[in-house]
Amino acid sequence: ETGVTQSPTHLIKTRGQQVTLRCSSQSGHNTVSWYQQALGQGPQFIFQYYREEENGRGNFPPRFSGLQFPNYSSELNVNALELDDSALYLCASSAPGLAGGPQYFGPGTRLLVL
Amino acid sequence: KQEVTQIPAALSVPEGENLVLNCSFTDSAIYNLQWFRQDPGKGLTSLLLIQSSQREQTSGRLNASLDKSSGRSTLYIAASQPGDSATYLCAVEFGGSRLTFGEGTQLTVNP
Repeated sequence: ETGVTQSPTHLIKTRGQQVTLRCSSQSGHNTVSWYQQALGQGPQFIFQYYREEENGRGNFPPRFSGLQFPNYSSELNVNALELDDSALYLCASSAPGLAGGPQYFGPGTRLLVL
Repeated sequence: KQEVTQIPAALSVPEGENLVLNCSFTDSAIYNLQWFRQDPGKGLTSLLLIQSSQREQTSGRLNASLDKSSGRSTLYIAASQPGDSATYLCAVEFGGSRLTFGEGTQLTVNP
């Protein structure tokens, strides 16, 4: 059984560009959540995908968007990058239909916007 | 508004000391509470998960308690070691399989 993986590990972009981050969920998990963690802060919930549909969103603008694929892997897309988007982006997967169950986090993608 | 607060923000202790990290949350209707460890520049490692119906969980030198009525959880670390140095994050699932995190406690254990 493989854990949650994310790619790339690090990324440098300039303001105004677009970025795509990828996440492969743990085997058997059909729910994927994305979090943004700014330096020195706790992670903030961006959105969640369940069976390829967005299933809840945090306080993030529409330029943050996502996809989930039939194999439950997921992408986070950010358009029109701003300096404040520099952060560690974490992906977490959880088992289907298990309210209150654990979430398993990937190692994260560190994004730097210059 | 559902919020999670962690106190203290930073803690420095000598090796071998027992210590307690605190977490408080604003809504007692929770599904679960998780404690995570984060090493600098790394992702999150789950330490303990306490379901809403449970009062505590233990793993090795770690013990986490949950008191929903007072909106509090504590993480107790026994006989601390330099390798325990990390940031410890408390996260609450209020619903919807999404976690609300505290700001973390940065722990330094000095040899």
